[in-house]
Amino acid sequence: EAGVTQSPTHLIKTRGQQATLRCSPISGHTSVYWYQQALGLGLQFLLWYDEGEERNRGNFPPRFSGRQFPNYSSELNVNALELEDSALYLCASSLDVYRDLIATNEKLFFGSGTQLSVL
Amino acid sequence: GENVEQHPSTLSVQEGDSAVIKCTYSDSASNYFPWYKQELGKRPQLIIDIRSNVGEKKDQRIAVTLNKTAKHFSLHITETQPEDSAVYFCAASCPPGFGNEKLTFGTGTRLTIIP
Repeated sequence: EAGVTQSPTHLIKTRGQQATLRCSPISGHTSVYWYQQALGLGLQFLLWYDEGEERNRGNFPPRFSGRQFPNYSSELNVNALELEDSALYLCASSLDVYRDLIATNEKLFFGSGTQLSVL
Repeated sequence: GENVEQHPSTLSVQEGDSAVIKCTYSDSASNYFPWYKQELGKRPQLIIDIRSNVGEKKDQRIAVTLNKTAKHFSLHITETQPEDSAVYFCAASCPPGFGNEKLTFGTGTRLTIIP
């Protein structure tokens, strides 16, 4: 079974440009999460999508946005890139936390990430 | 929102000794506490998780303990081996519907096993 896949592996952009990162979840997973991993800063929560809707958003400016498609894959868009946006962007997927009568946290499985470099 | 603190940030132990990493969380509603291991250049991988209805969970050389009263949980690795060298992240989340169900991660512990 394929794991979470992300593309591209590396992305180089200049300040002010826009970046689009893509994620395909594990088959059967409907939730997709995006995290930013900047050097030495751990994993910072960006966005959570489930069933095509944005369920939660981290403390990031509006130029970070995304969407989830009917096949549950997801895109993360970063507009007006700044130097400090350089980081590893990790996507994770999980089963729907609301799939049972009693909602429960589900395990997250991560992709290998997209290394975004802003010059 | 949830705040997770993790200590120490770096840890070096002799091969065969034990390693302990500690985390505290702020939201008393949190009930799910996973640990992830991230080797250099690789994706974070879940190694063990615990839910708030248990106080301890073991999986071979790895164990996690949870103290809900004190709001802290710890990862214990016994008989450490060189392949245990990695960055370890703790995390916490609330039950779905509480508005804070996303996983909040600690800042990571870089564990180095000295041969």
